[in-house]
Amino acid sequence: GNSVTQMEGPVTLSEEAFLTINCTYTATGYPSLFWYVQYPGEGLQLLLKATKADDKGSNKGFEATYRKETTSFHLEKGSVQVSDSAVYFCALSLYNFNKFYFGSGTKLNVKP
Amino acid sequence: DVKVTQSSRYLVKRTGEKVFLECVQDMDHENMFWYRQDPGLGLRLIYFSYDVKMKEKGDIPEGYSVSREKKERFSLILESASTNQTSMYLCASSLSGTGASTEAFFGQGTRLTVV
Repeated sequence: GNSVTQMEGPVTLSEEAFLTINCTYTATGYPSLFWYVQYPGEGLQLLLKATKADDKGSNKGFEATYRKETTSFHLEKGSVQVSDSAVYFCALSLYNFNKFYFGSGTKLNVKP
Repeated sequence: DVKVTQSSRYLVKRTGEKVFLECVQDMDHENMFWYRQDPGLGLRLIYFSYDVKMKEKGDIPEGYSVSREKKERFSLILESASTNQTSMYLCASSLSGTGASTEAFFGQGTRLTVV
């Protein structure tokens, strides 16, 4: 089947620390991969995406590389800010993009 | 700018009431989705629609129905609300088709409380 597994949170970091949120997937085809961010009380916003193996998605200092050999799409940021505090979701899509599969979300808390 | 709009941010309904959650998108997307989000469970798909009047059950359709009479509007209906349907409801839309990467665009969410 198709599924996404991401590390449980919450993750608590100090400002300017390095961030990694792990995400692995299983898929019956060749998925596109996404990271979404959800700020308190809001819907989900696309953070970055990658559509094929070895692609790197990047946005706002966040990066993730589509690794087919390890079926992973880990999210990284070199120096987090308090404003990055949010819940992060890893997701994949298949079948003409008619369906999306989401991980359970990882809450990030960044302290000043 | 792309937009998915949900009709209410917050709703409080009584047990047994019929509840309508409305979602409108202005991007001419073929696909529309309803998810519910609960702590520790992430997003769970209730229903999705890939065309007008077409719908498919997601992972947790029990107690819900949907309606899509126009391309831009997708409604979620709770036939008889129960307390275990208290949750955050998220609507999303996306383009259909292969070839170009696409993503789901989300509304701001409706927090429903059933008392």
